[in-house]
Amino acid sequence: GIQVEQSPPDLILQEGANSTLRCNFSDSVNNLQWFHQNPWGQLINLFYIPSGTKQNGRLSATTVATERYSLLYISSSQTTDSGVYFCAVEPQGGGSNYKLTFGKGTLLTVNP
Amino acid sequence: DADVTQTPRNRITKTGKRIMLECSQTKGHDRMYWYRQDPGLGLRLIYYSFDVKDINKGEISDGYSVSRQAQAKFSLSLESAIPNQTALYFCATKATGYYGYTFGSGTRLTVV
Repeated sequence: GIQVEQSPPDLILQEGANSTLRCNFSDSVNNLQWFHQNPWGQLINLFYIPSGTKQNGRLSATTVATERYSLLYISSSQTTDSGVYFCAVEPQGGGSNYKLTFGKGTLLTVNP
Repeated sequence: DADVTQTPRNRITKTGKRIMLECSQTKGHDRMYWYRQDPGLGLRLIYYSFDVKDINKGEISDGYSVSRQAQAKFSLSLESAIPNQTALYFCATKATGYYGYTFGSGTRLTVV
C-alpha cells in the first residue's frame, strides 16, 4: 500500500517562530489532508489539498503532486499550535483505495 | 450536535470483557471507517464500510469485529478485550464522489 512519511518527527519552537512540516508519499493520490490533533485528542482538519496551495490565517499548505510531497507552513507560531500534525492520503485507483493512510505525525511544541 | 458522534468518550474495561464502541453520523455519508491511534504510530485502519452490505478489513482487524446497522451507524466490537487494545479509537465518514473525511472526537479505551 501507499507509504506516508512525515518529517521532522519532533519540533520545538519559541513562540513567534516559523516552521515547515513535510509529508512525502509513495504513490499518486486523490486526496491529501492535514490534521492537527489538539491536547484533548481531537483531530482538527486543517486542509484538504491534493494539489496546489491553500492558506488559512497563519497556516498554509502546498502539495506538489507530481513530486509526491506536501508542506505545511506555520508562521508566527503560538502556544496553541502545539500538538501533533498528521498528513493523511487517499491513493488513486478507486475501489478498495478509498481509505486514508496516515503518516506517524510531527509532534510540535511551542514554548512561550 | 457533532456531525460524527462517538460513544463512549472514555472507557475503562477489564481484560476478557466484551465492549462495543459506537459511531453515528448525521452527514448522510455512505462510507464509514474505524481507526486506532497508538502513541508514535499515527492512525491505523481497523475496518471500513462503503455501504450497509459492504464491510472490509483494514490493516489491523485481528481481535475486532464491526456492524453496520444502518447507513448512519457503524459499531466496533472487541469480543475479548486485551491490554494491548488500549488506544484512542476514531470513527470517520466520507461521501462517495467527495474528497474530505470527517472524524469523530475519539473514544479513549483503557483495558486493565
